[in-house]
Amino acid sequence: GAVVSQHPSWVICKSGTSVKIECRSLDFQATTMFWYRQFPKQSLMLMATSNEGSKATYEQGVEKDKFLINHASLTLSTLTVTSAHPEDSSFYICSASGELTEAFFGQGTRLTVV
Amino acid sequence: GEDVEQSLFLSVREGDSSVINCTYTDSSSTYLYWYKQEPGAGLQLLTYIFSNMDMKQDQRLTVLLNKKDKHLSLRIADTQTGDSAIYFCAEKNSSASKIIFGSGTRLSIRP
Repeated sequence: GAVVSQHPSWVICKSGTSVKIECRSLDFQATTMFWYRQFPKQSLMLMATSNEGSKATYEQGVEKDKFLINHASLTLSTLTVTSAHPEDSSFYICSASGELTEAFFGQGTRLTVV
Repeated sequence: GEDVEQSLFLSVREGDSSVINCTYTDSSSTYLYWYKQEPGAGLQLLTYIFSNMDMKQDQRLTVLLNKKDKHLSLRIADTQTGDSAIYFCAEKNSSASKIIFGSGTRLSIRP
């Protein structure tokens, strides 16, 4: 299947700082990318959907000013957690969808805010 | 809104078949997926089925879809220890680009 690379795999940051997570589709053009958040032992919660070149669509309850999403090219989307706090600690997963119907997932980023 | 439900846990003996069930509410679902997640990892697409199909088989995996009852199942034949993971059922309809996930079923294998 297609490959989606997410970086970094894990990150620890201080409270109040910002963290950027990258999601790259390596061998296909991703017209749509999705960002999910997963709490321990829970399912994936969709945070936002981004289409290349346009503003992301955020799900209800997700603060767009806190979770900045940029989808500047067909192979790269970034999620920036601004002014991170301990409650933002979570596992963040991106997925990318192109011409194929299925979405391929990155390996996830574990964010710990101390 | 759309909802996808699964049981949280399943325990099977090594070598037996595992059947993971899922129900969904969106009658306009067009694609239904099964994903596997191992500890600390992202999601791996196992298989998917179009809503106009009722069965799909891929090696040890068999997907059954009952569209009338909005019920999807994943059967894993000859379950191995490497099959231990969380399995997510997900659905997508043609008018929406997002995929809705179930809560995941944790499959554990006993010797």
